[in-house]
Order: sequence, then C-alpha cells, then structure tokens
Amino acid sequence: KQEVTQIPAALSVPEGENLVLNCSFTDSAIYNLQWFRQDPGKGLTSLLLIQSSQREQTSGRLNASLDKSSGRSTLYIAASQPGDSATYLCAELYGNNRLAFGKGNQVVVIP
Amino acid sequence: DTEVTQTPKHLVMGMTNKKSLKCEQHMGHRAMYWYKQKAKKPPELMFVYSYEKLSINESVPSRFSPECPNSSLLNLHLHALQPEDSALYLCASSQVGVGGGNQPQHFGDGTRLSIL
Repeated sequence: KQEVTQIPAALSVPEGENLVLNCSFTDSAIYNLQWFRQDPGKGLTSLLLIQSSQREQTSGRLNASLDKSSGRSTLYIAASQPGDSATYLCAELYGNNRLAFGKGNQVVVIP
Repeated sequence: DTEVTQTPKHLVMGMTNKKSLKCEQHMGHRAMYWYKQKAKKPPELMFVYSYEKLSINESVPSRFSPECPNSSLLNLHLHALQPEDSALYLCASSQVGVGGGNQPQHFGDGTRLSIL
C-alpha cells in the first residue's frame, strides 16, 4: 500500500524566508510525483510534476526535487510571500492513474 | 481560472433527495476522476473513467452513481445520501498516459455538499 507522509502538518514562516516542504513515500516504483496547492474551500492547483526519470522541476520561485532511492521529494519556495499561504499536498502517481496523497503541509507566511 | 469546471459550487440536500454533480473539461483529456475530500484530510479517490468507461470504483456505496456521457463531461448522481457524505467533491481530468499514466491531473474547484 502506497504511503505518503508530509511533516510537519503546519508551519509558519516570516515573509521573505525560503520555504522547504518535505514529502516521503514508500514506493520506489512510482510513475511520478505531483505537488499541489489548495486554498481554503477550493480545489487543487497543480504546481509541479516530476517524472520518475527526472531529478527536479522548476517553475518561477518553485523548485521540486525527487530522490527515488531515499523515497523523498522536496518542494522549495524561494522568498516566500503572504500569498503563498495555503496547504501544500504531494501525491504519488501509481498504477492505473491512482494518486496517493500525503496529508499536506498547512503553510502561513507572516507579513 | 480552473480548466475543469464543476457545478454547482454548493449543494444542500436532504437524505431523500436525488441530485447530480457535474464536471466539464475541454482540454481533450480522456481520463476523468471523482474524489471526496473531508475537512483537513487529503482527497480520496472514488471513481476513474478512462475513454468514457469506468475503470476504477474504489468500493464506493451505490448511493453514488457516476456517469460519463462523453469525453468532456462527468456526472455524479446522488441518492439517499447520509450526513457523513457531507464533503467537498472534486473532479479531475488528465491525459491517459502510456504504461499506466504519467500525466498530471487537473482539478476543479469542487462542489461543497451538505446533507441535512
């Protein structure tokens, strides 16, 4: 059974600091790993997807890495802003288009 | 703006009502999904349609009945729901990847469902 872990459940950082969010997974045979953002009462916004053959993906201030051997992915957000406050979910894609989600990191960026 | 559109945004219904949730996408995706999300929890997969055919049913109670009338539309028919079915219902879509899938899923904003 796929298990995806995100610790801590919640964190606060002052504006301007870099955010580092960690995701651990148990399945080394993953197809890909996807990071999402969810604002309260809203759906999921896809941030980055890392294919199993890739080591990292970048989009603007966001960078996500994937280390299959250690079962870890890290989402790095540079120079955090109050608008980055949200819940961040990582999800592992495995057989038949199934996504296994972590429980998320609830982030608050303090102005 | 999300590319997956869900209606209605909010729905309140009694336990004896019949209602439907709708989802639409025009990205040419051939896989569509229903998820259920309770407060402070991650989404849980309910159903997957691939090429308009049901490919995954995660042991969902029969009071939830999915339908995929064409490649752009996905419905979830609701009947005789229970209070514990109150949740955010999310629709997603993706390309169907070779070898089981390697494509990102795109989510709608969800329907907030409350059962009285």
